[in-house]
Amino acid sequence: DTGVSQDPRHKITKRGQNVTFRCDPISEHNRLYWYRQTLGQGPEFLTYFQNEAQLEKSRLLSDRFSAERPKGSFSTLEIQRTEQGDSAMYLCASSLVPGSPTDTQYFGPGTRLTVL
Amino acid sequence: AQSVTQLGSHVSVSEGALVLLRCNYSSSVPPYLFWYVQYPNQGLQLLLKYTSAATLVKGINGFEAEFKKSETSFHLTKPSAHMSDAAEYFCAVSHPRAGTALIFGKGTTLSVSS
Repeated sequence: DTGVSQDPRHKITKRGQNVTFRCDPISEHNRLYWYRQTLGQGPEFLTYFQNEAQLEKSRLLSDRFSAERPKGSFSTLEIQRTEQGDSAMYLCASSLVPGSPTDTQYFGPGTRLTVL
Repeated sequence: AQSVTQLGSHVSVSEGALVLLRCNYSSSVPPYLFWYVQYPNQGLQLLLKYTSAATLVKGINGFEAEFKKSETSFHLTKPSAHMSDAAEYFCAVSHPRAGTALIFGKGTTLSVSS
């Protein structure tokens, strides 16, 4: 169990560019979540996957955002035509298949995006 | 709809003093409640969670929290603060259907002075 990993840890881009982040969950964890955290705020839910199926999307996930989990393992989050308001920490979390009331989300270190 | 309110965006204590971080929740159903800690430039680490078992929950690093339904509260405490406890703390709520998204409060920054 090596924990949830995210790549890159930091990304600086210019407004209008596209960026893609990757998340590798804990192996055998079927649920994968994306959250966004802006300065001085708690994380806000964006979307989650059960295996490769995207089951829920927040209204925060505009049409410029797309997330995939093609083989039910790692996931990518792409932001097209970045805006300065997209600057934030993007956090990924994973958990075991639901059904257990003690299911816990384990978080990665995050990708900090700065849009100039 | 569920929500979390953390009272006090910043709490300062002396080393060895009691730590009390406040969290109140709103939920239409009995929720699951969590406390996470975040150190600078790191992800979130789970401290403890309440999932409708014992109302007094013990977590890591000497922290504990008590679920009080009548007060809709889930305050985090530690009897004696350590310098290494300085971090940001988040309270979160989720629907008791397992695997749903967490809804976080805005966080409380804990400072510990020597």
